[in-house]
Amino acid sequence: NAGVTQTPKFQVLKTGQSMTLQCAQDMNHEYMSWYRQDPGMGLRLIHYSVGAGITDQGEVPNGYNVSRSTTEDFPLRLLSAAPSQTSVYFCASTTPGNSPLHFGNGTRLTVT
Amino acid sequence: AQRVTQPEKLLSVFKGAPVELKCNYSYSGSPELFWYVQYSRQRLQLLLRHISRESIKGFTADLNKGETSFHLKKPFAQEEDSAMYYCALSYYGSSNTGKLIFGQGTTLQVKP
Repeated sequence: NAGVTQTPKFQVLKTGQSMTLQCAQDMNHEYMSWYRQDPGMGLRLIHYSVGAGITDQGEVPNGYNVSRSTTEDFPLRLLSAAPSQTSVYFCASTTPGNSPLHFGNGTRLTVT
Repeated sequence: AQRVTQPEKLLSVFKGAPVELKCNYSYSGSPELFWYVQYSRQRLQLLLRHISRESIKGFTADLNKGETSFHLKKPFAQEEDSAMYYCALSYYGSSNTGKLIFGQGTTLQVKP
């Protein structure tokens, strides 16, 4: 099984551009989430979803949109990129019962 | 507010030396705590969780509610233990959603 797959691995954007970070999982996990990883700040939750059609905000949601039309996919949209969004983004999935998070390999995003 | 603190950005030890990665948390209820590890060029993965009270790769972590700590320990460090370690806490009331608060992370460097 592929597990959690994130694309692209690297991306450079100019300020104001938009893009979508893709995340797909093949484990039939109900719960999916997006984190950003910044030096000295650990991982911070951006958005999460407990099932298709249900999403909610995490700790740092501003500047990001999500949707969950299928169990498998949970894309993260940056509508107007800002330099403060330069980070490494991780998608994760899990099942109910406080099971471990399964992470993707991450997307390294640079906004100039 | 719920918070996880890892006071050391970098911990450097020699092979065979004992290791203790510190983690302190603030939480008003009964915490659910985890240690995640990210080896070079690998995805973030669960190392252990306090409810399991298990030893993984020689690492143990005991929850000390009095000191609000969940330090990760290993009696004899190996070079392959070199990695980034994150302590994490489940959000209050969200045990079943996979939402975690992460600490800042500690890089463990084991020298030969």
